[in-house]
Amino acid sequence: GENVEQHPSTLSVQEGDSAVIKCTYSDSASNYFPWYKQELGKGPQLIIDIRSNVGEKKDQRIAVTLNKTAKHFSLHITETQPEDSAVYFCAAIRIKAAGNKLTFGGGTRVLVKP
Amino acid sequence: KAGVTQTPRYLIKTRGQQVTLSCSPISGHRSVSWYQQTPGQGLQFLFEYFSETQRNKGNFPGRFSGRQFSNSRSEMNVSTLELGDSALYLCASSLLETQYFGPGTRLLVL
Repeated sequence: GENVEQHPSTLSVQEGDSAVIKCTYSDSASNYFPWYKQELGKGPQLIIDIRSNVGEKKDQRIAVTLNKTAKHFSLHITETQPEDSAVYFCAAIRIKAAGNKLTFGGGTRVLVKP
Repeated sequence: KAGVTQTPRYLIKTRGQQVTLSCSPISGHRSVSWYQQTPGQGLQFLFEYFSETQRNKGNFPGRFSGRQFSNSRSEMNVSTLELGDSALYLCASSLLETQYFGPGTRLLVL
């Protein structure tokens, strides 16, 4: 089955700096890669996603890149703000008609210091 | 549009008991997936239901079961609770591949 590894497990950045989280996946057939942000006491919230036919996607201060050859994808947060402090999860999935099962990375705890 | 709702939000049970958790998906979403989140194991897939049928199953013992109703609402049941079942149980609904999560039910087994 799919295996997703996520690094680093914790990340501390100064407000205004950039944060980068990296994930690798094992199943070359995976074709959809969402990123979730989880704040304390809440469920994961989708912040951005990318499909395998796209190499990069941006949404304001957030961007995701995908390297299918190397089987890794990354989340980039620019101009970090204190409200970006949370746990971030990457996930991978092979979309198929017989059902979808997300495989998550272990999570990255991001702390943005004011 | 209302998001995914889960009830109850918190639950305390003792070993050996059983528990039923409920999930109401986003209106129009027919797929409901369940995940268990623990500090040690992270987020793990339990099962997925689509049109009242289990479409996918993770690697959990048979004590974990679920069902889906004709209105797409879903329930999951854990029988003979063990201490290790203490976790945040998350439900996610989807129309296509994007899954939207509810706030979760935090279960504590004593």
